[in-house]
Amino acid sequence: DQQVKQNSPSLSVQEGRISILNCDYTNSMFDYFLWYKKYPAEGPTFLISISSIKDKNEDGRFTVFLNKSAKHLSLHIVPSQPGDSAVYFCAASASGGAGGTSYGKLTFGQGTILTVHP
Amino acid sequence: EAQVTQNPRYLITVTGKKLTVTCSQNMNHEYMSWYRQDPGLGLRQIYYSMNVEVTDKGDVPEGYKVSRKEKRNFPLILESPSPNQTSLYFCASSLSPGGKTQYFGPGTRLLVL
Repeated sequence: DQQVKQNSPSLSVQEGRISILNCDYTNSMFDYFLWYKKYPAEGPTFLISISSIKDKNEDGRFTVFLNKSAKHLSLHIVPSQPGDSAVYFCAASASGGAGGTSYGKLTFGQGTILTVHP
Repeated sequence: EAQVTQNPRYLITVTGKKLTVTCSQNMNHEYMSWYRQDPGLGLRQIYYSMNVEVTDKGDVPEGYKVSRKEKRNFPLILESPSPNQTSLYFCASSLSPGGKTQYFGPGTRLLVL
C-alpha cells in the first residue's frame, strides 16, 4: 500500500515558467513532509520541508504548500531553470508518539522527473 | 567535508554469493538507514538504526541483514543475493532519530545475475 503517491511520473516545463509537482498521502499520522531532489548518479538531496502546523513554507524559488484536509502537498518552483531538471521525491514522516518506531522514518513517493527546457 | 560514503558504487554478482555494501558517515549522526530505489516504487526503507547496536526492520527487510557496531558505519549484508535484489541502494544518516532531514550517500547499483 503506497502511503505517499506522486501520480505524475514526469513533468516538462519551459525555462522561466512555474513548475508544480504534486504529492498525495493517505496516512493521517504523517506530520512532517519533505521534498528531495535527485540528479543521476547521485543520492537524493534535501530541498525543502514543511511541518503539519503550517500550510506554506518558502525558500527562495521553492515553495511547498500543504493542504491537510485534502492530504495533499505541492512544490512550486518559480522561475524554473534548466538546472532544476532532476527527479523530485516527496517524503513524509510521522512522529509516532512516545517510543514509536516510526520516529524518524521517511516514507517516499515514487518520484517525478522534471525537465526544464531552455 | 560532511558526507555519507558507500562502497562499492557498482557491483555485479551471481545468485547466492554473499556480499556486503559498506556505508560510512563522518557527521557523528546517530540515525542511519538503508533504502532501495526501484522504478515506479520510489525509495523503500530496508533497515534502520537508531544508534550503536540498535537496529530495526524497515518496509522491505527480507533477504538483508545489517549491523551497527560503530556509530559511523552501517553495512548492508546480502547473505544469499537473488535477482529480485537487483536495485539501486542508498544509505542515509541524520543527526538524531528525530532528525527529519536525512543525508544520502551516492548510491550503489547492484545487479544480481
